[in-house]
Formats: sequence, C-alpha cells, structure tokens
Amino acid sequence: KQEVTQIPAALSVPEGENLVLNCSFTDSAIYNLQWFRQDPGKGLTSLLLIQSSQREQTSGRLNASLDKSSGRSTLYIAASQPGDSATYLCAPEGNQFYFGTGTSLTVIP
Amino acid sequence: EAGVAQSPRYKIIEKRQSVAFWCNPISGHATLYWYQQILGQGPKLLIQFQNNGVVDDSQLPKDRFSAERLKGVDSTLKIQPAKLEDSAVYLCASSLRLAGATDTQYFGPGTRLTVL
Repeated sequence: KQEVTQIPAALSVPEGENLVLNCSFTDSAIYNLQWFRQDPGKGLTSLLLIQSSQREQTSGRLNASLDKSSGRSTLYIAASQPGDSATYLCAPEGNQFYFGTGTSLTVIP
Repeated sequence: EAGVAQSPRYKIIEKRQSVAFWCNPISGHATLYWYQQILGQGPKLLIQFQNNGVVDDSQLPKDRFSAERLKGVDSTLKIQPAKLEDSAVYLCASSLRLAGATDTQYFGPGTRLTVL
C-alpha cells in the first residue's frame, strides 16, 4: 500500500515569502501526481498534475516537481499571498489515488 | 460549467441509523469517486466507478457501506448501520478519465456526517 508523507504538517510565513512544501511516497510505480488545495469546509481544488514522464509543471506562482525514482515531489509557491492560506495535499496515482495528510499553510499579511 | 454537486451538505444521525449521500458529477465525466476524509487526515478512496461499473472498491467497508451509479451519471453512497467512527466528510469527485488517460479530478463540496 502506498504511504504518502507531507512535511511540514503546518507552516506559517509572512506575506511575500517563497516557500516549499514536500511530499514523499513509498511506491514509485505511479502514473502521475497531483497537488490539491483544500479550503476549510470545502472540497479539493486541483492545482497541478504532473505526468510520470514529466519532471515539473508550472502554473502562475506555483511550480511542482516530481522525482519518481526517489519518491519525492515538491510544491514551490513564489511570493506568497494571504489568499494562499489553505491546506495543500499531494496525491500520487498508482492503481488508485493515495492522499497525504497535507500541509496547513498560513500566510500572514 | 457546473461543478460536482453533493447533498446534503450536513447530516447528523444516531449510531445504528442509516444515511445516504447523493452526488451528481460534471456532465460527461465517465469516472466518479467517493472519498472519506476523517478530520486531520487526507481523503481515502472508498469506491471508483467508470460509467456505471465499479473499478475499485477495495477500501469500501462492504458490511455497512454500499454505493451505486445507475445509468452512469449520478451516484448514491449509503451507510447502514452507521458507527461513531463513520463521522467524516464524504467527498465525491469526477473526471473525464477516458480509457488509459490521466486527467484532473474535480471535487464537490462534501457532506459532513456526524454520528452521535
């Protein structure tokens, strides 16, 4: 069974800082990996999807990298804003999606 | 484009009672997922449908949980009888997921279940 670990569990940064969220997974036989955002009391919103053959994906201020062989992915957020405050979850997909427990991010104005 | 719809948004029941949740995916999406998210944890896949067939239900507690997707469109998840540990948010998601393709899942707002 896939085990997904996200570090740190919580992070608080001042507005404008660049930050990195980490995700590690135990089974490298994956098709892709997605990063999601979850706001309190709401469902998940997909941020980035990286195919297994890719090494990174970018969307605006977000950049996600994938090193399948080492079982790691990172989500880089540039110039953080208070609106980025949310929980960020990674989900590698093998025969099914397995989610990490997430990193709770607070961006302080 | 309308998103994934779920109802009810909140439900409170006594243990041993029954409850049902409804999900209407995005129009044209072949794949539908039900997840259980316990407070402080990531979502756990309960069941995945491709059209009206079950692709994966390996983590569905089949002694008390059941799900169906008649006509390959909307879906119902039922718990009968409920236990205290079923208290969680139940999330529905859908994706185009044509055969062999990889694409994004779109999530509904979830149903928050409290079992007393």
